[in-house]
Amino acid sequence: QVQLKESGPVLVQASETLSLTCTVSGFSLTNYGVIWVRQPPGKGLEWMGIIWRNGNTDYNSALKSRLSINRDTSKSQVFLKMNSLQTDDTAIYYCTRDYYSSYGYYFDYWGQGVMVTVSS
Amino acid sequence: DIQMTQSPPSLSASLGETVSIECRASEDIYSNLAWYQQKSGKSPQLLIYYASSLQDGVPSRFSGSGSGTQYSLKISGMQPEDEGVYYCLQGSKYPPTFGGGTKLELK
Repeated sequence: QVQLKESGPVLVQASETLSLTCTVSGFSLTNYGVIWVRQPPGKGLEWMGIIWRNGNTDYNSALKSRLSINRDTSKSQVFLKMNSLQTDDTAIYYCTRDYYSSYGYYFDYWGQGVMVTVSS
Repeated sequence: DIQMTQSPPSLSASLGETVSIECRASEDIYSNLAWYQQKSGKSPQLLIYYASSLQDGVPSRFSGSGSGTQYSLKISGMQPEDEGVYYCLQGSKYPPTFGGGTKLELK
């Protein structure tokens, strides 16, 4: 079955770089895009960026200068790196799979999320 | 970017009550709208896609409707397990954007 699982450090120092991994199973990264979404404590969902099935990427314009998303298709892993972290980057970070059909575009499967705290 | 305005921000419903949550887009999104439920401490779960199509395994008391810029999610008969925060997501134009969320509680 389709699964996504985020992993990475739960505590990062301000000004440092966050590195997260999304390991997927049950589908191929060459058939689906993977998106990163974050959620600050008690707040809503923010789309961060996507690595498309062809390997191209798109980023939230507010994060573009700090964010990169890559993948290793042989390992079924997607990587998020975001530098110059600040305390307001404290959030739960989710990876999710995109789904596109004649019935629209949406995110169908989500990982459990990883809570990342940025410490000053 | 398309702005998604969700209302109300919160509501409280009694057991069995019918509940409606609205999402308004800043431009026509051609029914390219999904609804998610997020229970406390869990990741979002897909309920509805393409405005009115029910995701497999989702109870039939959930329904979606709308077109153009106005969409709604209806829960016909509130159940305790329906407590959570509900979000809409537009997928018509990149970047995809979420509504601000509606917190639903059992009265």
